[in-house]
Amino acid sequence: QVQLVQSGAEVKKPGSSVKVSCQAAGDTFSPYTFNWVRQAPGQGLEWVGRISPRLRATTYAQKFQGRVTITADESTNTGYMELRSLRSEDTAVYYCAREWQQLVSLFFDYWGQGTLVTVSS
Amino acid sequence: EIVLTQSPGTLSLSPGERATLSCRATQSVSSGYLAWYQQKPGQAPRLVIYGAYKRATGIPDRFSGSGSGTDFTLTISRLEPEDSAVYYCQQYDRSLWTFGQGTKVEIK
Repeated sequence: QVQLVQSGAEVKKPGSSVKVSCQAAGDTFSPYTFNWVRQAPGQGLEWVGRISPRLRATTYAQKFQGRVTITADESTNTGYMELRSLRSEDTAVYYCAREWQQLVSLFFDYWGQGTLVTVSS
Repeated sequence: EIVLTQSPGTLSLSPGERATLSCRATQSVSSGYLAWYQQKPGQAPRLVIYGAYKRATGIPDRFSGSGSGTDFTLTISRLEPEDSAVYYCQQYDRSLWTFGQGTKVEIK
């Protein structure tokens, strides 16, 4: 059973950066692609980006290009998402999710518990 | 980027009724890359349907998915009180994922 355990809530000032972690337990991390999804208060799900640790390949939603960096540390089975130049609109719960391929299907089968990032002066 | 539009925004039905949720894409989506998620307040999303019609592990058979191309549907055949949630469709195309805006299912 895979478990994704995320770091705790953060409060940040506008203009600063935040780095959220996601540690995988219960299975080998490196073969999988991990995604980051955020959800502003009362809003829907918004995809941020993904990383394939084995391939060292990252893809970001255009909205976040230049402001987000997603990395992974295979030695500790941990993924990271850093978001820079924070503004109030970045206040949201950030989720990590494992991307899984089954035959010709692709989907997110395991999710972290979410990390609340609050941006406030 | 493929945009997904879900309808209706909110569905209010009684237990035992049938719920039909729609997800429409601006371009054709590969069926293998269309999924549905259920999210309850304060919880992370949970996979319900993948590959457009395949039920995820542990999902009751009252949930079913259908559709192809640009039109997909999630059907809950006999609503139970625990089905009250927001449901999101999701698609993958050229290394990018997008979500629909969600349909809220309320049980009267």
